[in-house]
Amino acid sequence: AQKVTQAQTEISVVEKEDVTLDCVYETRDTTYYLFWYKQPPSGELVFLIRRNSFDEQNEISGRYSWNFQKSTSSFNFTITASQVVDSAVYFCALSGYQAGTALIFGKGTTLSVSS
Amino acid sequence: DAGVIQSPRHEVTEMGQEVTLRCKPISGHNSLFWYRQTMMRGLELLIYFNNNVPIDDSGMPEDRFSAKMPNASFSTLKIQPSEPRDSAVYFCASRRGLAGGPSSYEQYFGPGTRLTVT
Repeated sequence: AQKVTQAQTEISVVEKEDVTLDCVYETRDTTYYLFWYKQPPSGELVFLIRRNSFDEQNEISGRYSWNFQKSTSSFNFTITASQVVDSAVYFCALSGYQAGTALIFGKGTTLSVSS
Repeated sequence: DAGVIQSPRHEVTEMGQEVTLRCKPISGHNSLFWYRQTMMRGLELLIYFNNNVPIDDSGMPEDRFSAKMPNASFSTLKIQPSEPRDSAVYFCASRRGLAGGPSSYEQYFGPGTRLTVT
């Protein structure tokens, strides 16, 4: 069975601190896809990144970076120099390769950034 | 390009009433998903359509829930009769056909419909 675990329920930081959100997944598929979504207080789900299981390169986009480690089944998300606007719930998700699979979401991590 | 459109954004109804949620996927996307978000269960898939055909409805809680996709640009999720435990945020998401490669697996979500059943 597929499963995504986000062990951190809530994280609070002060602006400009770096913060890492953890994501651990379980799957029997050899090909799969990992995602991060952001849900700000307004409630919408915003796509942030997709990572393919066959590409273990880390990725950086501005203040955001993602560390994918297949050996530990982890796909962690780091925000550098956090800002108040980063306050949101962040979801990690997993999709299998087969056409019929939907997204399996973790429970989410609520990030609060104070000024 | 317009994103996924959902209506209504908020719905308050009394127990026993019929509720219809609507979704317009992104143009050109041929897969559509309905998810439900609650505090207890998080985000869970209700049903998935591919090319307007329901592929997986194993997440539909019970017979009170039904979903249709009469054409590529419109889908409905109906609850009849509604119950207080149906209160949740219902999201619609769409994605391109998987022939488009890895990026096709990216799902884009609508703003959600917050349903309150009293």
